[in-house]
Amino acid sequence: QVRLQESGPGLVKPSETLSLTCTVSSGSISGHYWSWIRQPPGKGLEWIGYIYFSGGTIYNPSFNSRVTISVDTSKNQFSLRLKSVTSADTAVYYCVKGRGYSGYEYWGQGTLVTVSS
Amino acid sequence: QSVLTQPPSVSGAPGERVTISCTGDNSNIGADYDVHWYQQLPGTAPKLLIFRNANRPSGVPDRFSGSKSGTSASLAITGLQAEDEGDYYCQSYDNRLSGLFGGGTKLTVL
Repeated sequence: QVRLQESGPGLVKPSETLSLTCTVSSGSISGHYWSWIRQPPGKGLEWIGYIYFSGGTIYNPSFNSRVTISVDTSKNQFSLRLKSVTSADTAVYYCVKGRGYSGYEYWGQGTLVTVSS
Repeated sequence: QSVLTQPPSVSGAPGERVTISCTGDNSNIGADYDVHWYQQLPGTAPKLLIFRNANRPSGVPDRFSGSKSGTSASLAITGLQAEDEGDYYCQSYDNRLSGLFGGGTKLTVL
């Protein structure tokens, strides 16, 4: 079954850009949708957005154009960039297969990103 | 504040039945988008428990069941076990093609 693994810095300074990559293994990134979901400590899940393997994206409007999701099919990876971060962006970030129409069956283990100076 | 409303907490004794509600509106659940349910045990990623309102992925016990009606959905857990203790989330979509999660419900097994 497909496996997903998030990678990237665990600490980001306020006003800087958070960048994470998700590596997909035991399956191809082609032909599928891929999502990012986050969870602030002690709080609920928040959908960030998704990308189709060909590059089309849909984002959560609440992020006010701060977010960009991209895909690199040659590396079987997709990425998240979140600009101008604040402490409110401190969260566990999950990469997930699918866009949610049929539920999210495959999740990465999640990676904690802390925004602090 | 989540668009999909869940009770913050529910509890039950071992062997009992509990239900968790998920209430939306006509722009999401009521617009005929499916509802999915997730179980999140402490320190782990969410696990898909119910998909497309009432379907269980392979390996999920039949103690877990889902239903949907109008602008709401429910998750029922029968024969409650200590290992069921954790957080439960509903998920759907809205007319802007945005993914939605409920605020989550903490299940305590007494």
